[in-house]
Amino acid sequence: DIVMTQSPEFLAVSLGERATINCKSSQSVYYSSPNKNYLAWYQQKPGHPPKLLIYWASTRESGVPDRFSGSGSGTDFTLTISNLQAEDVAVYYCQQYYSTPPGFNFGPGTKVEIK
Amino acid sequence: QVQLQEWGPGLVKPSETLSLTCTVSGGSISNSPYYWAWIRQPPGKGLEWIGSIYYTGNTQYNASLTSRLVISVDTSKNQVSLRLSSVTAADTAVYYCARHMGGYFRVPFDHWGQGTLVTVSS
Repeated sequence: DIVMTQSPEFLAVSLGERATINCKSSQSVYYSSPNKNYLAWYQQKPGHPPKLLIYWASTRESGVPDRFSGSGSGTDFTLTISNLQAEDVAVYYCQQYYSTPPGFNFGPGTKVEIK
Repeated sequence: QVQLQEWGPGLVKPSETLSLTCTVSGGSISNSPYYWAWIRQPPGKGLEWIGSIYYTGNTQYNASLTSRLVISVDTSKNQVSLRLSSVTAADTAVYYCARHMGGYFRVPFDHWGQGTLVTVSS
């Protein structure tokens, strides 16, 4: 079973600054064919369902602001929020969809707040 | 734009069966080859995939829940249903219905319902 970990657990960033969230999988989520990393990022605001931000590790979902970007490959991934806005306060989850079954494992989440 | 809405009892007694339904609007399940998923989130905790169903009825379940779980689809009503038996307090969670993106299984979830809180308590 692939275990997803995230760091840090909490992150306080000033408005307009950069937030960097790390995600690590216990085994590679990269498939050479089709040359993709099976890794997604979601944003969840209080009282709301998660919202898909990034898939295939670096492809931005339609409508997602370009201040959100994803990078990484294999077992180590990063979500970067540049120019942090007040509306970006949320919990961010990474998720692997490489190994199913057993399941679409999510990371424990990183809470982003304004400093 | 597809919309998903979960509904069902908000309180279930221990050892009983939790039953939820997800109504899909903005498109016909039978005409669109997507997988539909159930995902849950205990209060203040992270996300757990429960299982998924294709519009044809083919299912994939989380191995830790298989023995208690049935997910079904009713294309005539445009609904996906979840039944989880022998519930305990550990099953208390917000239950979400979601759609797999693009008609494939091993893909992320691009549309989510608002979720419904189910509490297991006597």
